[in-house]
Amino acid sequence: DTEVTQTPKHLVMGMTNKKSLKCEQHMGHRAMYWYKQKAKKPPELMFVYSYEKLSINESVPSRFSPECPNSSLLNLHLHALQPEDSALYLCASSHPKAGGPTDTQYFGPGTRLTVL
Amino acid sequence: LAKTTQPISMDSYEGQEVNITCSHNNIATNDYITWYQQFPSQGPRFIIQGYKTKVTNEVASLFIPADRKSSTLSLPRVSLSDTAVYYCLVGDIRGAAGNKLTFGGGTRVLVKP
Repeated sequence: DTEVTQTPKHLVMGMTNKKSLKCEQHMGHRAMYWYKQKAKKPPELMFVYSYEKLSINESVPSRFSPECPNSSLLNLHLHALQPEDSALYLCASSHPKAGGPTDTQYFGPGTRLTVL
Repeated sequence: LAKTTQPISMDSYEGQEVNITCSHNNIATNDYITWYQQFPSQGPRFIIQGYKTKVTNEVASLFIPADRKSSTLSLPRVSLSDTAVYYCLVGDIRGAAGNKLTFGGGTRVLVKP
């Protein structure tokens, strides 16, 4: 299994709602990532989990709350979002190969989030 | 982190070779060069990665000169399905899992019939 899956594919929420995005991988990867991508812009890193611990937080507002329940799962909890948070949210996973580099990231298809 | 500069867009025709050059003047000794492809509303897909000289796989070649201040992604005989955005990333991806990589602006490649 060489796939990163994300659910839901699309999500529409109001500014007062609480919702969660889910990401799953079964490749045995020990790092997982959340990115945000606006239209016609490159992905922007939000969070990195390494061995189930939050290792990088790119100064993301607290209305985004990541969670890594186990090595295969990554969640992004959303609360009190703003319309400008509407974007494609991408999850990725990676694992360094023994004896060499290439901590290559594998991306999921993303969740298209619309905040009304 | 080394910053990358790529052309914003390129047009090509089916069957032609497409070469995209990425500039990374302040690349560090431990940095690797990675290229990703992204179709609309999909996640980026890894294409190729290298450190120096030339790397080739089943879909592309990556040429890196001795000074490593630039790199060129070469896509042989493109088809319409190669229309996508191509990102060049430079960073240290050794060691522990969970390295920070910064995506540059990307190059929008349009393949015409």
